[in-house]
Amino acid sequence: GQQLNQSPQSMFIQEGEDVSMNCTSSSIFNTWLWYKQDPGEGPVLLIALYKAGELTSNGRLTAQFGITRKDSFLNISASIPSDVGIYFCAGQSGGSNYKLTFGKGTLLTVNP
Amino acid sequence: SQTIHQWPATLVQPVGSPLSLECTVEGTSNPNLYWYRQAAGRGLQLLFYSVGIGQISSEVPQNLSASRPQDRQFILSSKKLLLSDSGFYLCAWSVANRNYGYTFGSGTRLTVV
Repeated sequence: GQQLNQSPQSMFIQEGEDVSMNCTSSSIFNTWLWYKQDPGEGPVLLIALYKAGELTSNGRLTAQFGITRKDSFLNISASIPSDVGIYFCAGQSGGSNYKLTFGKGTLLTVNP
Repeated sequence: SQTIHQWPATLVQPVGSPLSLECTVEGTSNPNLYWYRQAAGRGLQLLFYSVGIGQISSEVPQNLSASRPQDRQFILSSKKLLLSDSGFYLCAWSVANRNYGYTFGSGTRLTVV
């Protein structure tokens, strides 16, 4: 089955630093999505990418859909304490009832 | 607008007791529905998904079952809980045949003691 390799597994940064995380796959996806999960809550969609090469921003967050359609990255600029949480990438293809394949998550800790 | 409700938020159950977690979606019709489990605050494991009433697909063999008695209702059950069933259970929905991603509920923290 499809698998996503998400890295890094965890990050410990100081407030104000920039963050970068990425996902790679051996399969092609039509859509890449990035979710954030706050402690004790369900994941919330941050950014959705629908075209190869697409670069999309949402406030301090920027994500890109890789040209090969097999990878994506998420950048967070000028991190703040509320950025703490688990970030998941997810790929979606048209087959398999449009099921998402999730990465294992990046646990982000921001020290004030 | 569409909303997803999941309850209860937390649950402590003894080993061997039954389980019933409920999820409902409002504001949409014929959604795809999903149950996930998350252990130790990390990866999301897909347990069941449903593309219609009475249609359940199981992703992993286990002590749990799912049912979809109504279009926008998804239930996760167990006849006898095991310690290993502890975890954070998440319900999600998506628009059928569209690549819009999933919307998750707020989760149920289950502790089996």
